[in-house]
Amino acid sequence: QKEVEQDPGPLSVPEGAIVSLNCTYSNSAFQYFMWYRQYSRKGPELLMYTYSSGNKEDGRFTAQVDKSSKYISLFIRDSQPSDSATYLCAMSLKDGTSYGKLTFGQGTILTVHP
Amino acid sequence: SAVISQKPSRDICQRGTSLTIQCQVDSQVTMMFWYRQQPGQSLTLIATANQGSEATYESGFVIDKFPISRPNLTFSTLTVSNMSPEDSSIYLCSVETGLGSPLHFGNGTRLTVT
Repeated sequence: QKEVEQDPGPLSVPEGAIVSLNCTYSNSAFQYFMWYRQYSRKGPELLMYTYSSGNKEDGRFTAQVDKSSKYISLFIRDSQPSDSATYLCAMSLKDGTSYGKLTFGQGTILTVHP
Repeated sequence: SAVISQKPSRDICQRGTSLTIQCQVDSQVTMMFWYRQQPGQSLTLIATANQGSEATYESGFVIDKFPISRPNLTFSTLTVSNMSPEDSSIYLCSVETGLGSPLHFGNGTRLTVT
């Protein structure tokens, strides 16, 4: 069993839809949770990060963490064609003062069609 | 966030040869990491590039195959040695700009080994 499970999709939605992307994990020691967006032939771009359970909002994006269920989500409101990309969840333990050793999900391919 | 430049952006190499990938950051960073993204798979951490000392490798990765240098706080190299077609991947440099800050990634080096 992988430490982080993410449905690879693909997911196709109409413009304006609310998108829900999810990951589950098995290691209860993970403390730091991130979502990255990756366009074709580009590196991952950090979207959201959080240390704690609950919701964190940034514009059209909301990251949700439920540590008791070992479940994280990313919601995209009013989705746009420019949101079409691969979305990667990632999480890490603390290693000294660093959270840089990330464990990634497989990534969900999202297409938002006009 | 830091601007991360990787060279080359892509290369096609013959089996048995070696390729050195460079990562340059526009500001001093605390931590630098090298990740691999194999076709259709998610990102996997290869090693932590330690400034002025030997890199720290993750399970399944060894120094003889992936020698890493980090001579200062803004630059690192990863060499893929004695390449085989199984080494065809995207290799990504990532940096942590401050203690406990989230990782930012370069655009990667797309390597094809024939």
